[in-house]
Amino acid sequence: EAQVTQNPRYLITVTGKKLTVTCSQNMNHEYMSWYRQDPGLGLRQIYYSMNVEVTDKGDVPEGYKVSRKEKRNFPLILESPSPNQTSLYFCASSLWSAGADTQYFGPGTRLTVL
Amino acid sequence: KQEVTQIPAALSVPEGENLVLNCSFTDSAIYNLQWFRQDPGKGLTSLLLIQSSQREQTSGRLNASLDKSSGRSTLYIAASQPGDSATYLCAVFTGANSKLTFGKGITLSVRP
Repeated sequence: EAQVTQNPRYLITVTGKKLTVTCSQNMNHEYMSWYRQDPGLGLRQIYYSMNVEVTDKGDVPEGYKVSRKEKRNFPLILESPSPNQTSLYFCASSLWSAGADTQYFGPGTRLTVL
Repeated sequence: KQEVTQIPAALSVPEGENLVLNCSFTDSAIYNLQWFRQDPGKGLTSLLLIQSSQREQTSGRLNASLDKSSGRSTLYIAASQPGDSATYLCAVFTGANSKLTFGKGITLSVRP
């Protein structure tokens, strides 16, 4: 089944404890991206990647890192999480490298930073 | 800076009604516009994608139109059903920085 998977789905952590949220797609998509969704603010892009080893900042990259060492994986890294990073996170992918086609979203990761 | 607006934020209709959801955007230099559905606590599912050169797209009971010059799109849902209850988001893709900008969504409730 074609899908975007994220792990973990739920995570409660404490301030400053490094964490990684994994994202994987099995559709051989070029473009991958991360979003956070917050009440009243909607979905905002954190980082995106147009291909392996090509990443760029979105609207709210501060406090996050990403890497794209393999085409199928695009992990989101929080080196030192803070409470303002408590949010619902989504990974998405699309076939074309520019991202200008149908976006497929993962199920989301609900992160709470205490 | 591209801004996408969806008004109203919430809508409640009786089952069977035909309805229109509106989306407006400030910068007409878009590659495409997508409509998504989001169920509570779930991810987004793409419903329709309209390229900038197209006027509309249809899928089943859904029809989306795009007027790029005026910065507007509508999602038409025919014969609404309780199962259509969800949040509907529109998003525009701007090629300059490979960016998808979302509206905040319209939460639709279809009453049996």
